[in-house]
Amino acid sequence: EDQVTQSPEALRLQEGESSSLNCSYTVSGLRGLFWYRQDPGKGPEFLFTLYSAGEEKEKERLKATLTKKESFLHITAPKPEDSATYLCAGISSGNTPLVFGKGTRLSVIA
Amino acid sequence: DAGVIQSPRHEVTEMGQEVTLRCKPISGHNSLFWYRQTMMRGLELLIYFNNNVPIDDSGMPEDRFSAKMPNASFSTLKIQPSEPRDSAVYFCASSSNSPLHFGNGTRLTVT
Repeated sequence: EDQVTQSPEALRLQEGESSSLNCSYTVSGLRGLFWYRQDPGKGPEFLFTLYSAGEEKEKERLKATLTKKESFLHITAPKPEDSATYLCAGISSGNTPLVFGKGTRLSVIA
Repeated sequence: DAGVIQSPRHEVTEMGQEVTLRCKPISGHNSLFWYRQTMMRGLELLIYFNNNVPIDDSGMPEDRFSAKMPNASFSTLKIQPSEPRDSAVYFCASSSNSPLHFGNGTRLTVT
């Protein structure tokens, strides 16, 4: 069974304190690994797609990386507005819809 | 583009009542997905449609749940009868060979 596991469940950072969120996956024939951001009361918002091991993508203070077993979302010098839940999801070669992890709740304190 | 539109945003109902959730996907998107989100289980896929045809409904928890997509611009998720354990946030998402675009969800509370 395809599975996506995220850690930690919650992370509290001081403003400017860089860190990383982890997403490990067991998805048969992974076709894509997706990162979403979800704010309270809103639906998930797409951030990145990674397709192959070694690939990296960046957006402002966020950088996503992918290995054969896991993905990381690196947050450099975070600001309070980066506080949100970050969701990771995988899609398999069978063209089935996204399988989501439970997310990491990030709080950035000024 | 208005994005994926869901209604109502909040629904409070009593156990045993019928509940209908509505979704308007992004124009031109040919795939539509219904997800349910809870603290315990995260985001779970309930059912998805391609070109208005249901492809996989294995995530629908029970026969009390049903979904329809009568045309490319509208879908409903119905729960009849509703139970307290159905309380969750229900999301609709659409795509067209692209990442999923989510609506802002319907928060359902069944008392």
